[in-house]
Amino acid sequence: EVQLVQSGAEVKKPGESLRISCKGSGYTFSNYWIGWVRQMPGKGLEWMTIIYPDDSKTRYSPSFQGRVTISADKSISTAYLQWRSLRASDTAMYYCVRLNGDSANDYWGQGTLLTVSS
Amino acid sequence: DIQMTQSPSSLSASVGDRVTITCRTNQTIANFLNWYQQKPGKVPSLLISAAFTLQSGVPSRFSGRGSATDFTLTIASLQPEDFATYYCQQSFLTPCTFGQGTKLEVK
Repeated sequence: EVQLVQSGAEVKKPGESLRISCKGSGYTFSNYWIGWVRQMPGKGLEWMTIIYPDDSKTRYSPSFQGRVTISADKSISTAYLQWRSLRASDTAMYYCVRLNGDSANDYWGQGTLLTVSS
Repeated sequence: DIQMTQSPSSLSASVGDRVTITCRTNQTIANFLNWYQQKPGKVPSLLISAAFTLQSGVPSRFSGRGSATDFTLTIASLQPEDFATYYCQQSFLTPCTFGQGTKLEVK
């Protein structure tokens, strides 16, 4: 059974750094693109970034380029999303997703709720 | 970025109704169009990929059609569990943009 298990909820202050994680299981982690989708409170879904764990090739939405960094460690089947300096506007639910052959998000993690507040 | 226009943004319907949601893109995307369902407080789930491929476990009352720039999601006979928000997404080019969502509510 394919599963994506994300790290737990975070409460951070503006300016702090953060890395959240997503561990894949039940499939060959290296061979599927994996990425992150943001959902701000009461809002829609936003595609952020993806990575191919086998060679660490990445793609970013221009809206998020420079604000976040995606990485993956295929030895432990885990993808990460990192911020260097958080803002209040980063407050959102972040979903880890696996991409299938059509580049659709066929599996989703349970979500990591990030709250950034002073 | 490819722009997605999803309509309507909200829709009131009754159990048993047939409903159709439309998604348009500002450039051709072949059939790289996906549909997701999200219930309140829950994780989104993939219903249909590649315009018309129903995912395993998704009821056959859901169907997708279209190609190039115009796509539809149809629910043939609404069931109580179908009241949710639906999103389209293009996966032809990164960033794989989403539509703004259609909230399907009980009339």
